[in-house]
Amino acid sequence: GEDVEQSLFLSVREGDSSVINCTYTDSSSTYLYWYKQEPGAGLQLLTYIFSNMDMKQDQRLTVLLNKKDKHLSLRIADTQTGDSAIYFCADPAGGTSYGKLTFGQGTILTVHP
Amino acid sequence: DGGITQSPKYLFRKEGQNVTLSCEQNLNHDAMYWYRQDPGQGLRLIYYSQIVNDFQKGDIAEGYSVSREKKESFPLTVTSAQKNPTAFYLCASTHRETGELFFGEGSRLTVL
Repeated sequence: GEDVEQSLFLSVREGDSSVINCTYTDSSSTYLYWYKQEPGAGLQLLTYIFSNMDMKQDQRLTVLLNKKDKHLSLRIADTQTGDSAIYFCADPAGGTSYGKLTFGQGTILTVHP
Repeated sequence: DGGITQSPKYLFRKEGQNVTLSCEQNLNHDAMYWYRQDPGQGLRLIYYSQIVNDFQKGDIAEGYSVSREKKESFPLTVTSAQKNPTAFYLCASTHRETGELFFGEGSRLTVL
């Protein structure tokens, strides 16, 4: 089955850039997603990228997609303490059911002042 | 405001008891989902429903049951057959065209 892998922890200083990496195995998906989870809350969609794109920029967020290596990354510029959260990448894994996503383990981002 | 409401937010139960977690959405979404979250394991799909009166098992359906009698509601029952029920449970829904998942705030179940 589909496998999505992320590193578990990332620690950065406020003002630095954060880069969260993700690898996936299913290459047939139309979209790949990044979700953010704040403590004790549900997940919120942060951004997504179409599989025919290499890069997407949205304010402080940059998503890079390397289809050949099946590698997805999320860069947060000028990271703030409010960015501390768990970040999940997710892949529909080519499924026909919308929302039936395979999630990575989540990367816990800690931002130090 | 449109959204997904899960209740209760925290629930404590003794071993051997069934518990039902509520999920209601007013987004007029067709499909609804239940995910389980454990530390360091991401989210795993329990059950999903694409239409009223129909639902399918996800990856970890054993020990759980659901119903979908109304479009707005998708309750999850954690039965006594679930071997390790203590977890954070997330309900989600999605519009057929966009595919974006909208999540509730979650229910934390602790079995004592």
